Amino acid sequence: GESVGLHLPTLSVQEGDNSIINCAYSNSASDYFIWYKQESGKGPQFIIDIRSNMDKRQGQRVTVLLNKTVKHLSLQIAATQPGDSAVYFCAERTGFQKLVFGTGTRLLVSP
Amino acid sequence: TAGITQAPTSQILAAGRSMTLRCTQDMRHNAMYWYRQDLGLGLRLIHYSNTAGTTGKGEVPDGYSVSRANTDDFPLTLASAVPSQTSVYFCASSDIGTPEKLFFGSGTQLSVL
Repeated sequence: GESVGLHLPTLSVQEGDNSIINCAYSNSASDYFIWYKQESGKGPQFIIDIRSNMDKRQGQRVTVLLNKTVKHLSLQIAATQPGDSAVYFCAERTGFQKLVFGTGTRLLVSP
Repeated sequence: TAGITQAPTSQILAAGRSMTLRCTQDMRHNAMYWYRQDLGLGLRLIHYSNTAGTTGKGEVPDGYSVSRANTDDFPLTLASAVPSQTSVYFCASSDIGTPEKLFFGSGTQLSVL
């Protein structure tokens, strides 16, 4: 999966399937972990975040899971739709205004 | 709601020339940021500002300067552009209490030749 520092280019799924995008982080002191979505030609858009004292957080059709033991973060998208096609970035907050972004995973949703 | 407006959308610039990238927000956010996005490197912070009149350096500040004369505007200036500054530049803002929740503009594609 994606790593803050490594690059996993593409995840291809069928419309209606569930998608799981993974991210490995390095700083055990990070207090927030965030997922952003970037559509072609646009700026990144905040999706969901999770504090370091939580394991799971759910939003609308999205769930973020945090495993601090192995420093792993994942974004689950339920019933993936063509509009979900984009590049997804994870980020960790290493300081008050210090976000370290991953290099992104491209999600392609086929009809 | 416009959110963050950046201009220009794209620009080709000769090396050695100066340029200012414009950024305006209408959300009354205290904090504003400039990031550059390069393939394989993710988003990297250039400069930030917590409030009008103050600025700070990010991860890659060399060759760039910013100013924050008021809450809404946060221009980024390249005094003497070099080819390594070819990138996509994103301006962002956040409420000072939630700096992890950034609102981004649509970006400026800059090519320095």
